[in-house]
Amino acid sequence: NAGVTQTPKFQVLKTGQSMTLQCAQDMNHNSMYWYRQDPGMGLRLIYYSASEGTTDKGEVPNGYNVSRLNKREFSLRLESAAPSQTSVYFCASSEGRNTGELFFGEGSRLTVL
Amino acid sequence: GQQLNQSPQSMFIQEGEDVSMNCTSSSIFNTWLWYKQDPGEGPVLLIALYKAGELTSNGRLTAQFGITRKDSFLNISASIPSDVGIYFCAGQLWDDKIIFGKGTRLHILP
Repeated sequence: NAGVTQTPKFQVLKTGQSMTLQCAQDMNHNSMYWYRQDPGMGLRLIYYSASEGTTDKGEVPNGYNVSRLNKREFSLRLESAAPSQTSVYFCASSEGRNTGELFFGEGSRLTVL
Repeated sequence: GQQLNQSPQSMFIQEGEDVSMNCTSSSIFNTWLWYKQDPGEGPVLLIALYKAGELTSNGRLTAQFGITRKDSFLNISASIPSDVGIYFCAGQLWDDKIIFGKGTRLHILP
């Protein structure tokens, strides 16, 4: 039972480099989310996708792009990484339709130098 | 934009004590959620509240959804060492957007 799988788990980037965080879920969930977690700031929503084919901005979308490739996969791209994007990134999925229960991946720790 | 104000930021308690934390917002939410995060892991759902005024229990945990859909509290009774962690409130809007409060870090003193 894989649940929500994120890759990579750790990544170090230099300022200006680009990278994509991958996320896949095997629970046939409709909704998928990307959050970032910084000390004392809780989890802040970057982008979410309420269903396949749709994406919407969250609280902190600047500097990020997303793709809902299919129902299973939701990727997060940093086109030109900045030190302010150093964070732990969590992908999550939900059945949707206001069920509320998010299932989280293990997180990806990103450091931008 | 929508914001959740969670308090307190941290708590230091003795094992066996009861704990209370709450969240307020100026926005109305469709569903209110309480999560717990252990170190190095993603948050896990503790309780989900769907109806205004709803009071729900899950073992030693009790949570209520405010009648105005703008606030909620979580109580933990008779705390034990494994209750240590970060507790988050979260609100879900009608378009499935889910936002989180900043968390309450619970410490249990030996």
